[in-house]
Amino acid sequence: NAGVTQTPKFRILKIGQSMTLQCTQDMNHNYMYWYRQDPGMGLKLIYYSVGAGITDKGEVPNGYNVSRSTTEDFPLRLELAAPSQTSVYFCASRWTSGEADTQYFGPGTRLTVL
Amino acid sequence: TQLLEQSPQFLSIQEGENLTVYCNSSSVFSSLQWYRQEPGEGPVLLVTVVTGGEVKKLKRLTFQFGDARKDSSLHITAAQPGDTGLYLCAVHISGGYQKVTFGTGTKLQVIP
Repeated sequence: NAGVTQTPKFRILKIGQSMTLQCTQDMNHNYMYWYRQDPGMGLKLIYYSVGAGITDKGEVPNGYNVSRSTTEDFPLRLELAAPSQTSVYFCASRWTSGEADTQYFGPGTRLTVL
Repeated sequence: TQLLEQSPQFLSIQEGENLTVYCNSSSVFSSLQWYRQEPGEGPVLLVTVVTGGEVKKLKRLTFQFGDARKDSSLHITAAQPGDTGLYLCAVHISGGYQKVTFGTGTKLQVIP
């Protein structure tokens, strides 16, 4: 299993540009999440999905959009990039069974908006 | 306001020292998790605590869930340079099982 993969690893955008951050998991997990992490800080939830076709907002959804057409893929879309969106973005999938509950994170995408 | 407050925010210690970091909230949780994040990587789950007062050990790491299930601590005995990283606590938001919220984090540096 590759686990959770994210592309690209690094990206520099100009203000107003758009891009899609890709996230794929091969563990057949229903739950998937997008977080952003600012330097030295914890993670803030942007959007999440409980299954294909179902998405919902997290703490900081403004400026982002998501879709979940398949169990495997959960892309994050930035429509009009702003400097405030400079951050490291992590995608995660989550497995739960009884008391067992684990999120598996991808390696992250480091985004700079200039 | 942060749902989960972690302290201290930063900690730099010498190899071999002991340390404790804390995760506090005014809310009650059904469970709490601790993650460690190494530089340039995503967080990795260390442990989940479920029962009030529960203590779990993972080699030199001891995790405790408060009796009232509002707080937790992580104690590291004889810290090693490999323990360096960002330690994050996380909980499911009450009423929203699907959402997971993370604490502010404690950045630990262990100096050889």
